[in-house]
Amino acid sequence: DQQVKQNSPSLSVQEGRISILNCDYTNSMFDYFLWYKKYPAEGPTFLISISSIKDKNEDGRFTVFLNKSAKHLSLHIVPSQPGDSAVYFCAATTDSWGKFQFGAGTQVVVTP
Amino acid sequence: NAGVMQNPRHLVRRRGQEARLRCSPMKGHSHVYWYRQLPEEGLKFMVYLQKENIIDESGMPKERFSAEFPKEGPSILRIQQVVRGDSAAYFCASSPPAGNTIYFGEGSWLTVV
Repeated sequence: DQQVKQNSPSLSVQEGRISILNCDYTNSMFDYFLWYKKYPAEGPTFLISISSIKDKNEDGRFTVFLNKSAKHLSLHIVPSQPGDSAVYFCAATTDSWGKFQFGAGTQVVVTP
Repeated sequence: NAGVMQNPRHLVRRRGQEARLRCSPMKGHSHVYWYRQLPEEGLKFMVYLQKENIIDESGMPKERFSAEFPKEGPSILRIQQVVRGDSAAYFCASSPPAGNTIYFGEGSWLTVV
């Protein structure tokens, strides 16, 4: 039962342009969402999060948007840099749950 | 290094042997999570533990896998009688009490030959 879905396995974007990563979820109980970045042979690192009481959270080049009615969130990276090339996972949880469900990941490649 | 510490980073086991993966959470964190990443797949939840308690083990295979987080010492994920299909990266994560963000270790790569 895949409750968090990232339907794009890969994304190629030119350096300096915007990267948009999408994530959909099915469980309406989720109220907290996170994005992680992962390089090969390393553990995922936390990027940015958003609570369901907000629809946008911004941190430097990273902005996460949440559309609760559509059960959809997205991560925008502006401008994209070569170091952003990695796999990005979205994750969701509930306040009272303690278990974080992850999507399958999106491989981002930033080209010069 | 105050991060989540996992060891060993790489482990090779023959079929039928036991694998033990250890995880020390970040300082001040009392919640530990284990995730598995099979080749070409995402992160799959396995188990969520607090000190001396298994809170949710709904992602653990029913046989051969067990996890503990004792009062003292690291959390241990134990896989008995390993099979080739157990070859994967195993990630531990931790969070503080009432925390809503989890922080991952570098992972332990298990190869079963």
